[in-house]
Amino acid sequence: GESVGLHLPTLSVQEGDNSIINCAYSNSASDYFIWYKQESGKGPQFIIDIRSNMDKRQGQRVTVLLNKTVKHLSLQIAATQPGDSAVYFCAENISPGSTLTFGKGTMLLVSP
Amino acid sequence: EADIYQTPRYLVIGTGKKITLECSQTMGHDKMYWYQQDPGMELHLIHYSYGVNSTEKGDLSSESTVSRIRTEHFPLTLESARPSHTSQYLCASSRGETQYFGPGTRLLVL
Repeated sequence: GESVGLHLPTLSVQEGDNSIINCAYSNSASDYFIWYKQESGKGPQFIIDIRSNMDKRQGQRVTVLLNKTVKHLSLQIAATQPGDSAVYFCAENISPGSTLTFGKGTMLLVSP
Repeated sequence: EADIYQTPRYLVIGTGKKITLECSQTMGHDKMYWYQQDPGMELHLIHYSYGVNSTEKGDLSSESTVSRIRTEHFPLTLESARPSHTSQYLCASSRGETQYFGPGTRLLVL
């Protein structure tokens, strides 16, 4: 079946560094992609999303890049802070009427 | 952003008990979802609803049931809890494709 997956299970960075979390998806028909942050003991929190007609979208300290040629999605976090430590999930949606498919998470560890 | 609430936050219960996990949202979202998530693992969709009196099973087979009698309320029920049901249960709601999650219920079945 179709799947969404992440390349790295754990990413360790120093405070102030830029972080890049990667995600591969297999369904070329996917139209919508979203990144969530999940802190320990909490539900996933929306970070940023992007549609397939875009290749880049920026938020506050975060940027999502979409490469449809290689079916790759990435989340860039600028000037990573200890509060960014969490598990990050990507998810995809094939169409507005379907449900999100989540990939395996990547744990981001930020050391001071 | 949706305001979405789940109760209880934590539940420890014995095998065979019937339990209901509550989920409510105050944003008037038509769509609501239940996910099961083991620690450090991905989310698996177990039930969803696109509106009142509409419920569907998700990708992960589950022995739980759901109901959607009111737009804002989407409870999940386990008729007879088993240790294999031990997990975190996350509720979400959406108007479009962006889902907003509640804090989750951590269930431990002894």
